[in-house]
Amino acid sequence: EAQVTQNPRYLITVTGKKLTVTCSQNMNHEYMSWYRQDPGLGLRQIYYSMNVEVTDKGDVPEGYKVSRKEKRNFPLILESPSPNQTSLYFCASSLSRSGRGHEQFFGPGTRLTVL
Amino acid sequence: GENVEQHPSTLSVQEGDSAVIKCTYSDSASNYFPWYKQELGKRPQLIIDIRSNVGEKKDQRIAVTLNKTAKHFSLHITETQPEDSAVYFCAASIVGAQKLVFGQGTRLTINP
Repeated sequence: EAQVTQNPRYLITVTGKKLTVTCSQNMNHEYMSWYRQDPGLGLRQIYYSMNVEVTDKGDVPEGYKVSRKEKRNFPLILESPSPNQTSLYFCASSLSRSGRGHEQFFGPGTRLTVL
Repeated sequence: GENVEQHPSTLSVQEGDSAVIKCTYSDSASNYFPWYKQELGKRPQLIIDIRSNVGEKKDQRIAVTLNKTAKHFSLHITETQPEDSAVYFCAASIVGAQKLVFGQGTRLTINP
């Protein structure tokens, strides 16, 4: 089944404890992104990647890191989480930069709470 | 950079009536405008999109209109049904770029 997966789905952690949220897609998509969703603010892009080893900042990259060592994986790293990073996180992928390939397919979401 | 404003934040309509959600964007270079639907506890899913070379696109009960001059676009849902209840997000980007900017979302409730 074609899909985007994220792990974990739920995570409660404490300030300063490094964590990684994994994202994987099995559709051979070139493009992958991370978003955070907060009430009243919609979905805000954190980082995106247009290919292996190519990443760029979105609108809210502070406090986050990403890597794209393989086409299928795009982990989100919080080196020192803080309470303002409590949010619902979505990973998304899309096939290509043109035509119907522009549609973004979202993962199921990861609800992160930082105490 | 691009800024997308979406209105209203909440919308309640009677089943069978129409619903309209409006978005404005700031960057005249944007040329791709998708709409996503997010049901409660689920992931966002694309329902319709439009490119700047057309003014209107329709898919059964949903349609999107685009006014490039005014830099605004709208989602129209006709003959609303209970399963249309969800949060709807508009977005804007440039084809070929992956920097997608979303509006704040509209919570649509269909009353039976």
